[in-house]
Amino acid sequence: AQSVTQLGSHVSVSEGALVLLRCNYSSSVPPYLFWYVQYPNQGLQLLLKYTTGATLVKGINGFEAEFKKSETSFHLTKPSAHMSDAAEYFCAVSVYNAGGTSYGKLTFGQGTILTVHP
Amino acid sequence: GAGVSQSPSNKVTEKGKDVELRCDPISGHTALYWYRQSLGQGLEFLIYFQGNSAPDKSGLPSDRFSAERTGGSVSTLTIQRTQQEDSAVYLCASSFGRQIREQYFGPGTRLTVT
Repeated sequence: AQSVTQLGSHVSVSEGALVLLRCNYSSSVPPYLFWYVQYPNQGLQLLLKYTTGATLVKGINGFEAEFKKSETSFHLTKPSAHMSDAAEYFCAVSVYNAGGTSYGKLTFGQGTILTVHP
Repeated sequence: GAGVSQSPSNKVTEKGKDVELRCDPISGHTALYWYRQSLGQGLEFLIYFQGNSAPDKSGLPSDRFSAERTGGSVSTLTIQRTQQEDSAVYLCASSFGRQIREQYFGPGTRLTVT
């Protein structure tokens, strides 16, 4: 079974500073990795995804993440934080079953609340 | 186009009552998922539909929980004899086809069991 660990339940940065949210996964088969963002009282919005191919993926709102197989990591970064980035961020993994099929269900990390100070 | 919609947005019920939560996926999306988000357990998968079939029900926490999907579209999650531990936000998501693709989430239904 796959799992996701997000290091740091709360991260606080100053506006304009680098944002780094950490995600490590565990999977016995090649993973598909996602970052979602959740604003208060809203559903989840996809930031970016890694399926196959290029390991550095770019998403919306200036975010990007790099898939590092050797480190089983998929950390989310943004060079310069904006006040509007304050939200909760979830890393998630999905895999194909042994038979090559997929139910596509997402296994989520515990989430990281990002606070941005002026 | 319209996104995933869920109703009601909030539901308060007494312990022991039954509740029904509704999800309208994006038109044309054949895959539909229910998740539960709670303070103690985080985001948990409940059930997956492909069309009207549910090949993965592994996340349903007890036999008090059931779900159905009709016409390959609307889905209803039913919780019978609600308990306080059922209090959570129930999220629905949909995606296109059978491959692993991004899931589009609805705003959720906040269920409070008193």
